[in-house]
Amino acid sequence: QKEVEQNSGPLSVPEGAIASLNCTYSDRGSQSFFWYRQYSGKSPELIMFIYSNGDKEDGRFTAQLNKASQYVSLLIRDSQPSDSATYLCAVNNQAGTALIFGKGTTLSVSS
Amino acid sequence: ETGVTQTPRHLVMGMTNKKSLKCEQHLGHNAMYWYKQSAKKPLELMFVYNFKEQTENNSVPSRFSPECPNSSHLFLHLHTLQPEDSALYLCASSQGLGGTDTQYFGPGTRLTVL
Repeated sequence: QKEVEQNSGPLSVPEGAIASLNCTYSDRGSQSFFWYRQYSGKSPELIMFIYSNGDKEDGRFTAQLNKASQYVSLLIRDSQPSDSATYLCAVNNQAGTALIFGKGTTLSVSS
Repeated sequence: ETGVTQTPRHLVMGMTNKKSLKCEQHLGHNAMYWYKQSAKKPLELMFVYNFKEQTENNSVPSRFSPECPNSSHLFLHLHTLQPEDSALYLCASSQGLGGTDTQYFGPGTRLTVL
């Protein structure tokens, strides 16, 4: 069974700090990596995707991918209370037909 | 709004009832998905449809029966469910098949089985 592992948290950071969310995956054939944010009682919404090793930045968010280590992370700079949510890591299966999701990490940003 | 709608938003049913969940996407996508989200568990993929054809059934019990009449509509027919089937059921769509294209989620149906 291919798996995506995330620390469930909660991860607590003060407002303005950098939040670092981590994810490891077991399928070496995975090529596409996604970060979704899910507020309580809402559906997941896409934050970022990354396909290549290295960093990808979008505003306050940076996704980092290391395929050799099978590791993907999400950095949130200048964290805001509105960033408080559960962050889901998703990885495509080797067949490319579906996404495998982690359980998510709950982030709490205190003002 | 993501362009994916789901009805009803909340559903309470008994174990002997038959009900259906509906999903509609207005994005012109070709692939649609049903997921189950239970507390403390990862999102579980249930079914995948690509151009109306089912491409994946993730060992889902037969009490869940999907139907995809066209690329814009997806149904999940429910019958003789169990209390452990209570969960949030999410529909999603993507332009191409799941692995590389971004999936957009609907708001979900919160199902309670008594």
